[in-house]
Amino acid sequence: DAGVIQSPRHEVTEMGQEVTLRCKPISGHNSLFWYRQTMMRGLELLIYFNNNVPIDDSGMPEDRFSAKMPNASFSTLKIQPSEPRDSAVYFCASIFDSSVKAFFGQGTRLTVV
Amino acid sequence: DQQVKQNSPSLSVQEGRISILNCDYTNSMFDYFLWYKKYPAEGPTFLISISSIKDKNEDGRFTVFLNKSAKHLSLHIVPSQPGDSAVYFCAASAVGNNRKLIWGLGTSLAVNP
Repeated sequence: DAGVIQSPRHEVTEMGQEVTLRCKPISGHNSLFWYRQTMMRGLELLIYFNNNVPIDDSGMPEDRFSAKMPNASFSTLKIQPSEPRDSAVYFCASIFDSSVKAFFGQGTRLTVV
Repeated sequence: DQQVKQNSPSLSVQEGRISILNCDYTNSMFDYFLWYKKYPAEGPTFLISISSIKDKNEDGRFTVFLNKSAKHLSLHIVPSQPGDSAVYFCAASAVGNNRKLIWGLGTSLAVNP
């Protein structure tokens, strides 16, 4: 298996633009997580899906952030409009069943200028 | 408020010696603990874990110790190798919390040849 695949690896955008990050979890994994990593706050859980259903979105910073999982093999994290403070590395991770051992993608480094 | 704390942002060790990375937690409901390793430009990768019913788990050069009364765990790497140079994250999970992982801010380990 190729592991968790995220795209793009790097994204530079101007403030106010819409940004869409993409994730393909490991086949067979039924839970998917979106994380944001910053120097100050470390790894923060943004949202967690189980069987394509959002279970916990309490970490989503504000209404500008939204996430979808239309099927078991694809998820998106959208920021609209983007702001410079959204600059961070965004990770997607997936797990199988009730395991806590998460497998991470390589991340998307987002820079909003 | 950080529920999982890694109080040492960085650690430098000589090759062949022991590396000890520490992690403290505040939530007594945590029942499963994990260590992840992260290289630059990559996602975190699972290293080793321990359940709260144990006080030690060993996997090759890596051993995790758990002291529940002190709410403290540590990761021992012996002997340390230059390839172990990475950021190490401690994470914890509680059975009643949707199995969400709560992360420390990480410790950057440098193993010098």
